[in-house]
Formats: sequence, structure tokens, C-alpha cells
Amino acid sequence: EVVLTQSPATLSLSPGERATLSCRASQSFNNYLAWYQQKAGQAPRLLIYDASNRATGIPVRFSASGSGTDFTLTISSLEPEDSAVYYCQQRSNWPLWVTFGGGTKLEIK
Amino acid sequence: QVQLQESGPGLVKPSGTLSLTCTVSGGSVTSNKWWTWVRQPPGKGLEWIGEMHHSGSTNYNPSVKSRVLISIDKSKNQFSLMLTSVTAADTAVYYCARGVGPWGQGTLVTVSS
Repeated sequence: EVVLTQSPATLSLSPGERATLSCRASQSFNNYLAWYQQKAGQAPRLLIYDASNRATGIPVRFSASGSGTDFTLTISSLEPEDSAVYYCQQRSNWPLWVTFGGGTKLEIK
Repeated sequence: QVQLQESGPGLVKPSGTLSLTCTVSGGSVTSNKWWTWVRQPPGKGLEWIGEMHHSGSTNYNPSVKSRVLISIDKSKNQFSLMLTSVTAADTAVYYCARGVGPWGQGTLVTVSS
């Protein structure tokens, strides 16, 4: 099982600042890594797939990078509506297993 | 665009069977996608349950593999989740999804007598 560890657990920043969220895997895998945003009371929304590809309709201030075991989601200039919990998710092929990280709660001051 | 909607009982008795259906609109369950179930216990993180492809292939989380069945009904453009022998630990919001997205809005299932 690939275990994903997200850090920090909580992040508190002001509008306009840059947020950097980390997702570290317990072992290297293919780059089938996705990032989701979940606002309170809502379903998760796909932000990024295949480690660095923005999903349809996602603002350009969201970007992601990484490979192997270290992945990063960056929000370049925070907006108040970016307040949410962010999850990373991996899909390893052998054995087939999908796991989520524990999430990073982003608070906008 | 593709939209998904979960439906099913919101309350299941311990040792009973949880059954949910996901209705797909704006797309077909016969497309080359994995149709997925994920759950989220109240106040906790996300847990992948499993997935099915219209070809019949399935993949399940080992933690529930002995209790879970995912199926597809092509005639109704739906896919379903069955989870047997439920306990309070299975209380969660259950989401259906098409691969990595989009997701349904989720439905809360409580296991209680």
C-alpha cells in the first residue's frame, strides 16, 4: 500500500499570499496523482490529475508538480474562496490500490 | 457535462446490507472510465472503496473486499454499491465518481439500530 502523508496539516495565510502544500508517498509509483479541493459540506472537486495537469475550469493560480515520492500543490495568489481541505490521491497499478492523503486544511485569514 | 447522483437508504441496521445507486447523466457508463465509490466518515478523510469498468473488471479496497460488490446496469446508466455486514464504522458520506471526477454530491448513510 502506498501511504500518502500531507503537510502541513493546517495552513493559515492571507489573501494574495502563496500556498505550498506537500504530499509525500511512502514509495515511488507512477505519476497517477490527483489533487482535490473539498469545501465544507461539499463533495471533493478535482483540481489536478496526473500530477501536474489542471482539470477543466480550474483557475491558473492552481498548479502542481512532482514525481516519484514528492508532490506539491501551489496556489499562487490566494483568494478567500480557496479556504478548504485539500487532498492528494494516488493510483498505483501493481497491486491496484487507490489511497488518499490525510488532507491539508487551508484557512484564509 | 457528466453528472452523478447517489441514492439509497440513509439508515441501515447493524449486520445489514448497505445498498446505494449512482445515476449517471450527460455521459454513459459504457465509456472507458472506472466508476468509483469513495466514502468519508463524519469529520474524517476520504477512503476509496472500489471501482468497476463496464467491461466487467473490478478493483476493491482490501479493507472491505470481502464485503463489497460494485455492479453496473447499462440499461439504466447506473452503477451500484453493496456493502454487507455493516457496523457503525461504516457510517459515512458515500460518494460516487467517474474516475477522478466528477463526483456526486454524496449521501450520508448511518448504521444504527
